Amino acid sequence: EADIYQTPRYLVIGTGKKITLECSQTMGHDKMYWYQQDPGMELHLIHYSYGVNSTEKGDLSSESTVSRIRTEHFPLTLESARPSHTSQYLCASSEGVNQPQHFGDGTRLSIL
Amino acid sequence: GDSVTQMEGPVTLSEEAFLTINCTYTATGYPSLFWYVQYPGEGLQLLLKATKADDKGSNKGFEATYRKETTSFHLEKGSVQVSDSAVYFCALRSGGSYIPTFGRGTSLIVHP
Repeated sequence: EADIYQTPRYLVIGTGKKITLECSQTMGHDKMYWYQQDPGMELHLIHYSYGVNSTEKGDLSSESTVSRIRTEHFPLTLESARPSHTSQYLCASSEGVNQPQHFGDGTRLSIL
Repeated sequence: GDSVTQMEGPVTLSEEAFLTINCTYTATGYPSLFWYVQYPGEGLQLLLKATKADDKGSNKGFEATYRKETTSFHLEKGSVQVSDSAVYFCALRSGGSYIPTFGRGTSLIVHP
């Protein structure tokens, strides 16, 4: 039972378009994360947030940006999509330090 | 820095076979350890966790024991089912950090 929701689930779109991937959670978690998952399965952290108005870049360089205006909402934006952005994007949230992450079902993005 | 090493897959088994997926880690202090499972088309979900040495996490017939002396957290199941076919991720969180470290994932394929 998912308490963290991502939309859209699938998106096929042309090069140069502006895209926003939505992520919302109903658990009141302060910490939220965006991962890029390549076809080889490995997860790459691209953005994270410790709370409202807090955003940080992750380990993997990304041309995307994020915002955190409300606790429950953590959207990711690509200003100008390119074929290299084709991937799966997973959103997650968590509570305390020793607590697990909760993941959404992901957005599979294809840029033509 | 922290790191997690998992055995490479795919691991291919027949139904009712015994499963072991190896996971070893390097971390400062005393991390919490997790196993996540990702079914096709879905995000990751927590399978089990252990927060201190000698703890055993268990869920759905899967088990893993936190071995501090060998820095390992191997996943085991006595009798796998076709429905266990998925990708399994080992992960850790070092004390005080909200950013987890994931292994690369191990694909499990179970044949009838």
